[in-house]
Amino acid sequence: DQQVKQNSPSLSVQEGRISILNCDYTNSMFDYFLWYKKYPAEGPTFLISISSIKDKNEDGRFTVFLNKSAKHLSLHIVPSQPGDSAVYFCAASGVNNNDMRFGAGTRLTVKP
Amino acid sequence: ETGVTQSPTHLIKTRGQQVTLRCSSQSGHNTVSWYQQALGQGPQFIFQYYREEENGRGNFPPRFSGLQFPNYSSELNVNALELDDSALYLCASSLSADRVVYEQYFGPGTRLTVT
Repeated sequence: DQQVKQNSPSLSVQEGRISILNCDYTNSMFDYFLWYKKYPAEGPTFLISISSIKDKNEDGRFTVFLNKSAKHLSLHIVPSQPGDSAVYFCAASGVNNNDMRFGAGTRLTVKP
Repeated sequence: ETGVTQSPTHLIKTRGQQVTLRCSSQSGHNTVSWYQQALGQGPQFIFQYYREEENGRGNFPPRFSGLQFPNYSSELNVNALELDDSALYLCASSLSADRVVYEQYFGPGTRLTVT
């Protein structure tokens, strides 16, 4: 059961512009949402998270938005840099965060 | 501070065999989670161990089993290997309190190929 979906397998943006990565989920019991970044030959690296009681969380160039009514979250990267080129995974879990579900990932390419 | 390490890096096994994958947690972490990542897919949760006890399990058959040791390192065992078990196996460690798990830190993974 695909409870977390990332419908765009890839995204290409120009350096300096905004990157917007999207994620949809089906389980209304999810309480905690995370974004991970993955480079080749490395494990996923935690990027940013948001609790279901918030609708926005910002950390430097990265902002995550949560729309609970639409069961949708997005990651904004501004400005995008070539080093941001990686696969980005959206993940969601219940209140204890002991059963994390991942989307299939979106490959972001930032062109110089 | 040492990060999460996994061994071996790559492994080739034959259908029907058994395999053991190992994970060393990041220093100070008491929780380990295991994930299977098939090609082109996101990681799928297998199970989690908190202080040597199973603390959640995904939709995987019983031939997937695990252990967590007193030093919080962990093993993933898979019996009766099938071709579909070919995947990247990721281990993630975290520091948990009262079974509530916070950010997970992933190792580089073990690439298992079943022929």
